[in-house]
Amino acid sequence: QKEVEQDPGPLSVPEGAIVSLNCTYSNSAFQYFMWYRQYSRKGPELLMYTYSSGNKEDGRFTAQVDKSSKYISLFIRDSQPSDSATYLCAMSVRGANNLFFGTGTRLTVIP
Amino acid sequence: KAGVTQTPRYLIKTRGQQVTLSCSPISGHRSVSWYQQTPGQGLQFLFEYFSETQRNKGNFPGRFSGRQFSNSRSEMNVSTLELGDSALYLCASSLGTGENTIYFGEGSWLTVV
Repeated sequence: QKEVEQDPGPLSVPEGAIVSLNCTYSNSAFQYFMWYRQYSRKGPELLMYTYSSGNKEDGRFTAQVDKSSKYISLFIRDSQPSDSATYLCAMSVRGANNLFFGTGTRLTVIP
Repeated sequence: KAGVTQTPRYLIKTRGQQVTLSCSPISGHRSVSWYQQTPGQGLQFLFEYFSETQRNKGNFPGRFSGRQFSNSRSEMNVSTLELGDSALYLCASSLGTGENTIYFGEGSWLTVV
């Protein structure tokens, strides 16, 4: 079993829809949770960074962490065609810089 | 503020050869990590360097090695290349002080033929 599980999709939504992306994990020592966006043939771009449980909002993006369920989510409101990319969840233990990634979910927002 | 810079962006090598990839972290960042990204395995951690010392290592064979210089720039080397080493190699930088905001470069695309 992989330490981080993520539905690879692909996921297609109409422009303006609310998108929900999710990851589950098995290592209870994970305390830092991140979401990256990766466009084709580009490096991952850090979108959201959360420490421990709770919610964090940044513009159209909301990250949620539920450590009791070992479940994290990223919500995108008012999705735009420019949001079309692969979204990767990543996590690490406290004080460590080695990230454990999900496989990524490919999202397409249709105009 | 300049981001993480990786060179070269694209390269093609022959089986058995070796390759060296270079990474310049964000100014002020002392931690540099390397990752391999393939369609089958996704993003996997190779190793991390902090203040010229390897601080953490993933589960890759000894053919994969790296180093970090006093100016925090880093290089990774892959010797005796195999077809399966074809991948996107990503460098990531952070302050390395425990706060884990980690930023990635655009990557080096390696094709082994």
